[in-house]
Amino acid sequence: GQQLNQSPQSMFIQEGEDVSMNCTSSSIFNTWLWYKQEPGEGPVLLIALYKAGELTSNGRLTAQFGITRKDSFLNISASIPSDVGIYFCAGMNYGGSQGNLIFGKGTKLSVKP
Amino acid sequence: KAGVTQTPRYLIKTRGQQVTLSCSPISGHRSVSWYQQTPGQGLQFLFEYFSETQRNKGNFPGRFSGRQFSNSRSEMNVSTLELGDSALYLCASSLAYLGGGEDTQYFGPGTRLTVL
Repeated sequence: GQQLNQSPQSMFIQEGEDVSMNCTSSSIFNTWLWYKQEPGEGPVLLIALYKAGELTSNGRLTAQFGITRKDSFLNISASIPSDVGIYFCAGMNYGGSQGNLIFGKGTKLSVKP
Repeated sequence: KAGVTQTPRYLIKTRGQQVTLSCSPISGHRSVSWYQQTPGQGLQFLFEYFSETQRNKGNFPGRFSGRQFSNSRSEMNVSTLELGDSALYLCASSLAYLGGGEDTQYFGPGTRLTVL
């Protein structure tokens, strides 16, 4: 079945540093989504990407839909302590009742003040 | 504006029983999607309903089913519970269907299901 490889699994960074994480797959997706989840909370949708090559920003977050449609990247600039959490990517193929959404295993981000 | 609500928040069942979980979306939202989250498997997509029709479906057995009512409230049913069904079940609502160009999706707090 379809799988997403999300890396790195975890990151320990200093406040102010930039962060990069990515998701790759052997399958093509029509949509890429990036979520953040904090302990005890549901995920929050950060960025949605709908076209190959698309680059979208949300504040200090920037995500890209890979040109091959098999990967996506998320960058966080100038990290702050509240960026702590688990970041999930998700690839989606939609199409009537056959559409599916596949999640990566997550990147756990820790930020040291 | 009220957020996504899920009931019950916690549930304990035994193997073989069935369970129904409820999700009330944000007012005006027509899409409700359901997810299972476990430490081992992570986040997995169950299905999505939009305007009372199942629009997308993940790779779960037929024991997992759902429906959506005309007021957009959704229920998820799991029959013949197994130990491995113990998980946090999350629902999310959005204005448009998944992949439909809507950038907002709001999750509920989840229902923690324990199967003994």
